[in-house]
Amino acid sequence: SYELTQPPSVSVSPGQTAGITCSGDKLGDNYACWYQQKPGQSPVLVIYQDIKRPSGIPERFSGSKSGNTATLTISGTQAMDEADYYCQAWDTSTVVFGGGTKLTVL
Amino acid sequence: EVHLVETGGGLVQPGGSLRLSCAASGFTFSNYWMSWVRQAPGKGLEWVANINYDASEKYFVDSVKGRFIISRDNANNSLYLQMNSLRAEDTAVYFCARGIKWRGHFYLDYWGQGTLVTVSS
Repeated sequence: SYELTQPPSVSVSPGQTAGITCSGDKLGDNYACWYQQKPGQSPVLVIYQDIKRPSGIPERFSGSKSGNTATLTISGTQAMDEADYYCQAWDTSTVVFGGGTKLTVL
Repeated sequence: EVHLVETGGGLVQPGGSLRLSCAASGFTFSNYWMSWVRQAPGKGLEWVANINYDASEKYFVDSVKGRFIISRDNANNSLYLQMNSLRAEDTAVYFCARGIKWRGHFYLDYWGQGTLVTVSS
């Protein structure tokens, strides 16, 4: 089965740049998207089609992809960005989520 | 404004059944794929099922195939998940989400608040 691999945790200092990676064997042939989930809340889409940002998502959130690895980058990270982040792709009519990355802003 | 409201969660015994509903508003329901995604306590997101615009295509994660049924009522802007033969490992918050399918990409742009399903004796 298709798997997406994320680091369990990433730490960043306020104002610095955070990068969260997502790797998968077929990711180079599929688009990736990213969700932010804060404790007790529903997930929110922050990046889709590898690099696009939905309306209302701050410009400090950006996405990129190289080969089979997609990256979510948060520039000028703020305390409010502390959350779990999940990548997601679609393969042969099934939706696949990465295991999630807990971003800590300290 | 898009709104998705899930109902129907609760406590059920192993082997039992439960039907979740998702009421949609703020968009033309029949124009969109819809999905169910679940999250076990303290765990990550797990996709459960997808249904296309007119219910002619339905897809499930392997662990629920043959036990769960996804359906929709476009006249009433509603999505359903019939869950049968429930197991302890089905315990999770179940989210309803709106899907966008485009050129080999599928993503979920709006999510409901979720409804908790607990399978326990």
